[in-house]
Amino acid sequence: EPEVTQTPSHQVTQMGQEVILRCVPISNHLYFYWYRQILGQKVEFLVSFYNNEISEKSEIFDDQFSVERPDGSNFTLKIRSTKLEDSAMYFCARGTGAPNGEKLFFGSGTQLSVL
Amino acid sequence: RKEVEQDPGPFNVPEGATVAFNCTYSNSASQSFFWYRQDCRKEPKLLMSVYSSGNEDGRFTAQLNRASQYISLLIRDSKLSDSATYLCVVMDSSYKLIFGSGTRLLVRP
Repeated sequence: EPEVTQTPSHQVTQMGQEVILRCVPISNHLYFYWYRQILGQKVEFLVSFYNNEISEKSEIFDDQFSVERPDGSNFTLKIRSTKLEDSAMYFCARGTGAPNGEKLFFGSGTQLSVL
Repeated sequence: RKEVEQDPGPFNVPEGATVAFNCTYSNSASQSFFWYRQDCRKEPKLLMSVYSSGNEDGRFTAQLNRASQYISLLIRDSKLSDSATYLCVVMDSSYKLIFGSGTRLLVRP
């Protein structure tokens, strides 16, 4: 059983459109992360989110990106105006918050295709 | 220098073979170390953590050498189901995972 559920599994959008990717944890967690993987490339960190606030974000996570946990359950990644280069697999992950070594468990991802 | 560097492979081995993957990392302040497995177009799945003392989980053995900033994974008695990409992952002080590009393993009958 996945640690987090991501929806949709696939999203096709036109360049310039807004997309919202969703992540639903199985149980209540405080530590969340978004990563992305462009086809054929490595997994890249986007943003970490702890206790309903952004902890850290990468240089990829520019003003076009935002994250929210609007209802205390769903965790969303919004891309305001998509570009072709945003096409990638986006993974949500939840952390254990273990002080002696954080471990991350990933959802099955959303494949975003920007046309 | 890349933050986490791996040989991309592919490693093509027969069933039953022993295969070893290596990885180097550049940030000496890195906190934790992992091997993840990724099947084609799927999410990364945690295979095992890596400790300085070395650790073993069934057919899998992981080693960390902090002085050399080097991590290894040994798979004994390879199975067809071991075919995947193996990701060397390093966690920095802010709990951010830094992924290597992965080493592809193909186990043939």
